Amino acid sequence: NAGVTQTPKFRVLKTGQSMTLLCAQDMNHEYMYWYRQDPGMGLRLIHYSVGEGTTAKGEVPDGYNVSRLKKQNFLLGLESAAPSQTSVYFCASSLGGRRSETQYFGPGTRLLVL
Amino acid sequence: AQSVTQLGSHVSVSEGALVLLRCNYSSSVPPYLFWYVQYPNQGLQLLLKYTTGATLVKGINGFEAEFKKSETSFHLTKPSAHMSDAAEYFCAVGHTGANSKLTFGKGITLSVRP
Repeated sequence: NAGVTQTPKFRVLKTGQSMTLLCAQDMNHEYMYWYRQDPGMGLRLIHYSVGEGTTAKGEVPDGYNVSRLKKQNFLLGLESAAPSQTSVYFCASSLGGRRSETQYFGPGTRLLVL
Repeated sequence: AQSVTQLGSHVSVSEGALVLLRCNYSSSVPPYLFWYVQYPNQGLQLLLKYTTGATLVKGINGFEAEFKKSETSFHLTKPSAHMSDAAEYFCAVGHTGANSKLTFGKGITLSVRP
């Protein structure tokens, strides 16, 4: 079991460029999440998905889009990157939607926007 | 609405000393509470969680936390710190509704001195 994997591990973008971050999980989890982590801010939820073909906005969705075409994959897109999107991005998944569910995290993607 | 407060951003202890990391929460419903740990350059992993039942929760690596409703607290402790405990620790509270979303605190960095 690989758990939750993220691609790429590190990326440098110029302002205005676009990119897609890929998250994959092999645990057959229904729920998936994208967070960003910034110093002193903790983790903030960008978007999440409660199942294949569904997505919803989180706390800080502006400037990001997501897609969940396959149950095991959750893609995060930046259409026009801005320096404010420099961050570490974490993907997570959980089995279901109960409040007691544990979220399982990937290793993160470090993004630098110049 | 749910929120979490982790006072202070950095705690330093000597190896073998007591570890105490504080977490206070606000929740409009009985809370589900989590502690996650992030080792350098890694994703988050679950240390322990409180859902219902026993208020003293034991987790991995010798950590435990006690849910105190009257104090709205869920502090994390370990009797004797080890060098390998150096990491960032996040307290989180589960949202209401069937989506297993979490609200994270800002995190506390634990340093362990030899």
